[in-house]
Amino acid sequence: GAVVSQHPSWVICKSGTSVKIECRSLDFQATTMFWYRQFPKQSLMLMATSNEGSKATYEQGVEKDKFLINHASLTLSTLTVTSAHPEDSSFYICSALIAFHEQYFGPGTRLTVT
Amino acid sequence: KQEVTQIPAALSVPEGENLVLNCSFTDSAIYNLQWFRQDPGKGLTSLLLIQSSQREQTSGRLNASLDKSSGRSTLYIAASQPGDSATYLCAVVNTNAGKSTFGDGTTLTVKP
Repeated sequence: GAVVSQHPSWVICKSGTSVKIECRSLDFQATTMFWYRQFPKQSLMLMATSNEGSKATYEQGVEKDKFLINHASLTLSTLTVTSAHPEDSSFYICSALIAFHEQYFGPGTRLTVT
Repeated sequence: KQEVTQIPAALSVPEGENLVLNCSFTDSAIYNLQWFRQDPGKGLTSLLLIQSSQREQTSGRLNASLDKSSGRSTLYIAASQPGDSATYLCAVVNTNAGKSTFGDGTTLTVKP
């Protein structure tokens, strides 16, 4: 099956710094990737849709200047959390869309902001 | 706006039991429905994908059904094992943009 990787798997950063999370499709090309956020014991909340070669589409309530998304190639999308604060601590998961709109998810990145 | 509900929120069964997880959605104009498994602190593993034109899909001990008209899907797990313990999520895609709406999940515990 399709494989999606994320890097790093976990990161701890200080308040005010920026963190970049990478999402890669390893054995296929993905023109569309999604970024989700998940709080403990809650379901996934879609943050934005990342399209290769164009600007990301953000969901209502998600700050585009805080969560910068770049989809520079057909196998890589990045999410940068700028000026991170403790409330940004969360589990961030990406997914890639393949045929028939089936999604394959990455393993997630645990972000802790101190 | 699509809303997805999963019942029950938690389920505990003895090993060997057959069980059913339920997923309901409010807008029946879906493109597909996908069932996932999530282990604590991990990402999502795709279990089954049902296209809107299909009624069911099977993989090993898992069988998922879809009734679009009533807005329901079920995930049937046969002969449950402790290794099946996880949170099961269903997600529906409404448009060909591929955006999914997730339910809150059912946390399954299978006791040895």
